[in-house]
Amino acid sequence: RKEVEQDPGPFNVPEGATVAFNCTYSNSASQSFFWYRQDCRKEPKLLMSVYSSGNEDGRFTAQLNRASQYISLLIRDSKLSDSATYLCVVTLYGNKLVFGAGTILRVKS
Amino acid sequence: NAGVTQTPKFQVLKTGQSMTLQCAQDMNHNSMYWYRQDPGMGLRLIYYSASEGTTDKGEVPNGYNVSRLNKREFSLRLESAAPSQTSVYFCASSEDRSTRVGSGNTIYFGEGSWLTVV
Repeated sequence: RKEVEQDPGPFNVPEGATVAFNCTYSNSASQSFFWYRQDCRKEPKLLMSVYSSGNEDGRFTAQLNRASQYISLLIRDSKLSDSATYLCVVTLYGNKLVFGAGTILRVKS
Repeated sequence: NAGVTQTPKFQVLKTGQSMTLQCAQDMNHNSMYWYRQDPGMGLRLIYYSASEGTTDKGEVPNGYNVSRLNKREFSLRLESAAPSQTSVYFCASSEDRSTRVGSGNTIYFGEGSWLTVV
């Protein structure tokens, strides 16, 4: 079983739609959680950290469920520019980052 | 502000050839990393360096060597390239290897190096 699993998608949604991605992790000792965004043929960039109480950054909301060992990302009012691959990232002890394979989002007009 | 710079961006090697990927960061970060990314798989850590003068193996170190030349530079060497090493390689850096829970220690990536071994 992979340490971090994501639905690869692609998720094809129209502009203005709300879309949600889930990510599950296997190690209950995981400490920190992040969503990264990766554009085609580009490097990953931090989208947002995920905190236990949930957090929001504009149109993006991240949630953490430690009991069920998953994190989620909700994107409201999708824009064409949101089209990218979204990587779920989990930090184990000692700041070891484990990346999911990514979920592809395509927003269409 | 250059951030993390890696070279070359593209390289084609023949099986058995050697090459070095160079990486430098100008953010005064302590920690540096080399990852590879393959289709359908997440980024996998090859080697990392928590501080100048130290290096440690990651998840997939076989076939690679690294050198932390100074605080800024961290190179990755393929001694005898194999087709299985065809991949996209990312260098990255972060401020520290803090074990603080929820530290939000951000990793910054270089633009990637596309390597093909034929």
